[in-house]
Amino acid sequence: EVQLVESGGGLVQPGGSLRLSCAASGFTFSTYWMSWVRQAPGKGLEWVANIKGDGTQKYYVHSVEGRFTISRANAENSLYLQMSSLRAEDTALYYCARGPTGYRVDYWGQGTLVTVSS
Amino acid sequence: EIVLTQSPATLSLSPGERATLSCRASQSVGSYLAWYQQKPGQAPRLLIYDASNRATGVPARFSGSGSGGTDFTLTISSLEPEDFAVYYCQQRDNWPPRLTFGGGTKVEIK
Repeated sequence: EVQLVESGGGLVQPGGSLRLSCAASGFTFSTYWMSWVRQAPGKGLEWVANIKGDGTQKYYVHSVEGRFTISRANAENSLYLQMSSLRAEDTALYYCARGPTGYRVDYWGQGTLVTVSS
Repeated sequence: EIVLTQSPATLSLSPGERATLSCRASQSVGSYLAWYQQKPGQAPRLLIYDASNRATGVPARFSGSGSGGTDFTLTISSLEPEDFAVYYCQQRDNWPPRLTFGGGTKVEIK
């Protein structure tokens, strides 16, 4: 059974940093692209970043480029999102997701909440 | 940048009725469109991929179709109580593989 479990969310001040983690199990982690997708309170879904299985390719939504870094540790079946220079508009539930597999994301974690506020 | 526009924003229907949700892409995405269901307090769940393929475990009352690479439809043939939720469409750029989601359609009980 595929499982994705996020952690690391919390309350942070504007300009601060936070590192999110995602523990994956139930599949061969190193062979899959992985993504972070966020959802602001009461809003829709927004893709944030993704990373190839071997970690050699990484892509970001324009609004987080230069501030967020996606990475992975395949030996530990873990995905990360290092977030810095956080802004109020980064407040959201952050989901770890498997994919894109083809053109879709096929499994999602339950999310970890990031709140940026003074 | 491809924009996905979903309509209507809200669909008010009764159990047993047919639901028809639309997703329009600003340029062709071929047949590479996915649909997700999200219930309150839950993560999204993949329903349909590549426009018309049901994901594992998705009931047959859910179906997807597409036309011309820009107009896509998610149909729920007969709404069950558990189908009242928000539905999102999603596409992936060929390269780089950036993802885009539509704004969502809420299917609510009338």
